[in-house]
Amino acid sequence: AQRVTQPEKLLSVFKGAPVELKCNYSYSGSPELFWYVQYSRQRLQLLLRHISRESIKGFTADLNKGETSFHLKKPFAQEEDSAMYYCALSRSTGNQFYFGTGTSLTVIP
Amino acid sequence: KAGVTQTPRYLIKTRGQQVTLSCSPISGHRSVSWYQQTPGQGLQFLFEYFSETQRNKGNFPGRFSGRQFSNSRSEMNVSTLELGDSALYLCASSVLPGTLNTEAFFGQGTRLTVV
Repeated sequence: AQRVTQPEKLLSVFKGAPVELKCNYSYSGSPELFWYVQYSRQRLQLLLRHISRESIKGFTADLNKGETSFHLKKPFAQEEDSAMYYCALSRSTGNQFYFGTGTSLTVIP
Repeated sequence: KAGVTQTPRYLIKTRGQQVTLSCSPISGHRSVSWYQQTPGQGLQFLFEYFSETQRNKGNFPGRFSGRQFSNSRSEMNVSTLELGDSALYLCASSVLPGTLNTEAFFGQGTRLTVV
């Protein structure tokens, strides 16, 4: 069965410090991995996906199939990064996501 | 262009009643999926529709049902409401399911409270 685990419910870092949000998954096939973000009073939106290998707002995430992880990283946190972050897994054949429970990131000025 | 629109935004129902929630996807999007978000369980997949057909279904009882119309608008229905059905219900739309660059766009949700 598919499962996405985000071990940290809350994470606080100082502005300018590096940040890493952890995500581990279990899935028997070839999943697509995503990070979604929800800023205060806004709707859930896509931050990045592993297949694009892109950096969005300074965030990157590398899929490590050996460790079944997809951690989200940013070298220098900014106050505007404070938000709820969800790691999600999708089967390649559908618009069906399995979400982790989310990590609330607070960047302290 | 307009985003995913969910109506109503808030709803209060009594145990045993039924409720219908509506989702209008982004114009041109044909795939709609529904999620239930609660503090305890997080975001859980309910079902997905594409071209008026249910493609996938999550692990929810039969009281939860949905449908999609020819204009891609979707509704979900919950019958015989229970207190535990209180949640934020989110709808997401995408152009097509299963394509490599599929991005799901989420609505703001319908907050259902069962009393």
